[in-house]
Amino acid sequence: DGGITQSPKYLFRKEGQNVTLSCEQNLNHDAMYWYRQDPGQGLRLIYYSQIVNDFQKGDIAEGYSVSREKKESFPLTVTSAQKNPTAFYLCASNQGSKKNGYTFGSGTRLTVV
Amino acid sequence: GNSVTQMEGPVTLSEEAFLTINCTYTATGYPSLFWYVQYPGEGLQLLLKATKADDKGSNKGFEATYRKETTSFHLEKGSVQVSDSAVYFCALSEDYGGATNKLIFGTGTLLAVQP
Repeated sequence: DGGITQSPKYLFRKEGQNVTLSCEQNLNHDAMYWYRQDPGQGLRLIYYSQIVNDFQKGDIAEGYSVSREKKESFPLTVTSAQKNPTAFYLCASNQGSKKNGYTFGSGTRLTVV
Repeated sequence: GNSVTQMEGPVTLSEEAFLTINCTYTATGYPSLFWYVQYPGEGLQLLLKATKADDKGSNKGFEATYRKETTSFHLEKGSVQVSDSAVYFCALSEDYGGATNKLIFGTGTLLAVQP
């Protein structure tokens, strides 16, 4: 079955470390997205990519970086510059029309220790 | 800019009660509207959608009607179950050109159903 796979499900980061969250899709979707979710704040867009080798900043891109070298993959790196990285991170993808909505992965919970 | 406003939770109901979660939106053009559901520790799942005015989306006993005149997309269910306990997100989508579009989400409404 087609879908989006995020890994790992849980991730622990020490202060000052960079960590990378994986997102892979086999839906043949062109567009992919990263969201951050904090309690009571809904979803906030970090980065998105419309096509391979291109990506755009979302509303809260500071302290994060992404790459889109393959259509199937859109990894997110949480850098040491992100001062409050503890959150639930969601990856999504979609194709074409505004009518289609997004398909989401199951998320990665990142905790700073 | 475009935005979605949904009622704050938590909404606490007894099993078999009637559910309404209000959602209103502000948008230019002709957005598509969605309800997503998130169970604890999981990602979001599409619950239902409507792509034009007066369309009714429905799934698993949930319904929502796209009302352009009131810019609303309220979620309803006639008889909730304990298994419906989750966070519900209202969202709108407009084309931004190219191969993508952006979803604008509300802040989510926590529903807790008690036996």
